[in-house]
Amino acid sequence: GAVVSQHPSRVICKSGTSVKIECRSLDFQATTMFWYRQFPKQSLMLMATSNEGSKATYEQGVEKDKFLINHASLTLSTLTVTSAHPEDSSFYICSARLPLKNTEAFFGQGTRLTVV
Amino acid sequence: KNQVEQSPQSLIILEGKNCTLQCNYTVSPFSNLRWYKQDTGRGPVSLTIMTFSENTKSNGRYTATLDADTKQSSLHITASQLSDSASYICVVFTGGGNKLTFGTGTQLKVEL
Repeated sequence: GAVVSQHPSRVICKSGTSVKIECRSLDFQATTMFWYRQFPKQSLMLMATSNEGSKATYEQGVEKDKFLINHASLTLSTLTVTSAHPEDSSFYICSARLPLKNTEAFFGQGTRLTVV
Repeated sequence: KNQVEQSPQSLIILEGKNCTLQCNYTVSPFSNLRWYKQDTGRGPVSLTIMTFSENTKSNGRYTATLDADTKQSSLHITASQLSDSASYICVVFTGGGNKLTFGTGTQLKVEL
């Protein structure tokens, strides 16, 4: 199957700093990628849809100025958590689909963010 | 409102035993349903896909069923192994597959 690589797998940062998470599709081009957030023992919650070459589409309640998404190429999307606070600590997961095939979603390994 | 509910919320079984996880959905329009396995601290990995016309599908020790009339799916795991300990998530694809609705997951723990 297709491979989606996410980096870093875990990061610890101080309050007020910004953290960038990368999501790469390794063996296919993804015009659209998705960013999720997952709290302990809960399911994935869609934060935003990242579109190559255009602005991301954010879900209701997600602050676009706090969670900056850039999809500059067909294989890379980045999520930057700006001015991080402890409540931003969570597990962030990206996902991508194969072009013209919406029957499967491939997920990255996830990033555990801890803000201290 | 599109919803996917899973049961049980958590389950503990002994190694070698079988178990069945349930998924009920109220999602429209239905495109397909997938079961994912998510190990702790990792991203979900697909186990099976069920389309509208399929009733049952196996992938090794995993067997998924789908009843499109009652909108229910199950995932049966046979001869469980310690490595099966994970969260199992039922995901329904809607709108031609453009939108995903995630279930709440079943946390499975396999013990010696």
